Amino acid sequence: DSGVTQTPKHLITATGQRVTLRCSPRSGDLSVYWYQQSLDQGLQFLIQYYNGEERAKGNILERFSAQQFPDLHSELNLSSLELGDSALYFCASSVEPGRVYNEQFFGPGTRLTVL
Amino acid sequence: AQKITQTQPGMFVQEKEAVTLDCTYDTSDQSYGLFWYKQPSSGEMIFLIYQGSYDEQNATEGRYSLNFQKARKSANLVISASQLGDSAMYFCAMISKETSGSRLTFGEGTQLTVNP
Repeated sequence: DSGVTQTPKHLITATGQRVTLRCSPRSGDLSVYWYQQSLDQGLQFLIQYYNGEERAKGNILERFSAQQFPDLHSELNLSSLELGDSALYFCASSVEPGRVYNEQFFGPGTRLTVL
Repeated sequence: AQKITQTQPGMFVQEKEAVTLDCTYDTSDQSYGLFWYKQPSSGEMIFLIYQGSYDEQNATEGRYSLNFQKARKSANLVISASQLGDSAMYFCAMISKETSGSRLTFGEGTQLTVNP
């Protein structure tokens, strides 16, 4: 158990809908990362937050947004869902961003299926 | 641009034998970190081992060791005495200052199957 929690574990929804994925980082970790794992794109970085502020952005679609709250949990919002958004979404957390040694602990992931 | 390449989509090894999973990387930065993660069929990502670009010795963690050849830009994972539970997808990843934040850039992964 990495100490990172993600809910829900599975999510099945229809095209055009909106969903929210939730992540709680490990105790003491200030940085949260979101990654998407799909068959065609592999593991891709979406976005990073540090202590409530956006730190870095990857190939995140405009239909996707995220935030980190004062209690450090984070939410990833996916809207106008398309079939291609079906993927495993990981949240990870770390103590100290900005260093190249920055072990990231991954949550169990949320498997999103868009029908 | 930062890039990780894993050229072995699948590898097979007999139980109790050693296996090497290949990883090459590209970055223009001198300071970077290399990571290996394991993803079993259950889906979670498990951190295995880390190597810093300035580390003079190869990293080791139990049965895992990292064969770091900086001039060749390779960071191969060696698993000794393979066990059935080692069957999983293995990802090589990198963090460098070349990209903003502390994002991990992953390779395509290698599916390892350990045969009894």
